[in-house]
Amino acid sequence: KQEVTQIPAALSVPEGENLVLNCSFTDSAIYNLQWFRQDPGKGLTSLLLIQSSQREQTSGRLNASLDKSSGRSTLYIAASQPGDSATYLCAVCLNFGNEKLTFGTGTRLTIIP
Amino acid sequence: KAGVTQTPRYLIKTRGQQVTLSCSPISGHRSVSWYQQTPGQGLQFLFEYFSETQRNKGNFPGRFSGRQFSNSRSEMNVSTLELGDSALYLCASSLGGGITEAFFGQGTRLTVV
Repeated sequence: KQEVTQIPAALSVPEGENLVLNCSFTDSAIYNLQWFRQDPGKGLTSLLLIQSSQREQTSGRLNASLDKSSGRSTLYIAASQPGDSATYLCAVCLNFGNEKLTFGTGTRLTIIP
Repeated sequence: KAGVTQTPRYLIKTRGQQVTLSCSPISGHRSVSWYQQTPGQGLQFLFEYFSETQRNKGNFPGRFSGRQFSNSRSEMNVSTLELGDSALYLCASSLGGGITEAFFGQGTRLTVV
């Protein structure tokens, strides 16, 4: 059974710092991995999708990496801003054509102005 | 381009009642998945529909059911509501067919009293 873990559960950093969020998964046979952010009481916003054949993806100040063999992904946020405060979730998809996502427990990020 | 639309946004129901939630996916998306989010269990997969057929189902009791229409809109039904069904229900749409970036709606907050 695939298990996805995100550590730490909560993180506070001063504005302007670069930071890394971690995601680990137990079964390396994934099809892709997706990072989301969730604001309180809201839905999920897709940030980055990494296919299993890729090592990283970038969008603006965000960079996500994937190491399938070690079962790890990281989300790097450069020059953090108060608007980055949210819960960040990673999710893995196991098979081609199988849309089911297995989610991590999330990291609640607070950027201190 | 309109995003994923879920209705209603909020619901309050009494134990024993039933409820129907609706999800309209992004135009052109054929896959709709449903998730339940609670503070204790996080995000859990309920089921996925693709071209009006249920392709995947999570570990939820038979009280939870769904369907998808020919226009890809989906409904989820919960019968004989229990207090533990109180949660944020999220719908995700994707193209399907192996292109699995998921886009989520704002969710329906269900409270069972």
